[in-house]
Amino acid sequence: AQRVTQPEKLLSVFKGAPVELKCNYSYSGSPELFWYVQYSRQRLQLLLRHISRESIKGFTADLNKGETSFHLKKPFAQEEDSAMYYCALIRSGTYKYIFGTGTRLKVLA
Amino acid sequence: NAGVMQNPRHLVRRRGQEARLRCSPMKGHSHVYWYRQLPEEGLKFMVYLQKENIIDESGMPKERFSAEFPKEGPSILRIQQVVRGDSAAYFCASSPPSGDTEAFFGQGTRLTVV
Repeated sequence: AQRVTQPEKLLSVFKGAPVELKCNYSYSGSPELFWYVQYSRQRLQLLLRHISRESIKGFTADLNKGETSFHLKKPFAQEEDSAMYYCALIRSGTYKYIFGTGTRLKVLA
Repeated sequence: NAGVMQNPRHLVRRRGQEARLRCSPMKGHSHVYWYRQLPEEGLKFMVYLQKENIIDESGMPKERFSAEFPKEGPSILRIQQVVRGDSAAYFCASSPPSGDTEAFFGQGTRLTVV
């Protein structure tokens, strides 16, 4: 079955510290992987997707097919990064997202 | 472009009543998706609609739930005879006809059944 696992419900780090939000997936084919972010009182919005290989707001994520992971990383966390982060996958060519349960990131001053 | 608009933001219904959730997609978007988020869970796909057509309703509960996206007006998710277990956040998303998989989400409707 297709599944996305985010093992941490809450991750607290100090400002300036590195951040890694973990995401593992279970899917036998070629999925498309995404990270969505929800800032306080705002809507869910796309942060990045693996096919674009971009760095957005200093965040990067590399798809590791061997480990079936798509961890989100940032070398130096900022207070404004505090938000809820959701990892999601779509089977290539389809439209149904499968979301993880989300990780709340708190960046402490 | 105001983005995907959902209303109401909060809805309280007594058990047995009907709940109607509305979603206006982004301008130019013809694909609408509904997701449900139960407490402590991720968003779960419910239904995918295009104008006047239900494309995939595999995530919809078999009873009491229905969705439509008429030619004119917003998409409606309708829940009849609500029960406590229907309490959740319901998110609508839209995407353009180009086939790009990025979805643009609304702010959600939080349904509370008392």
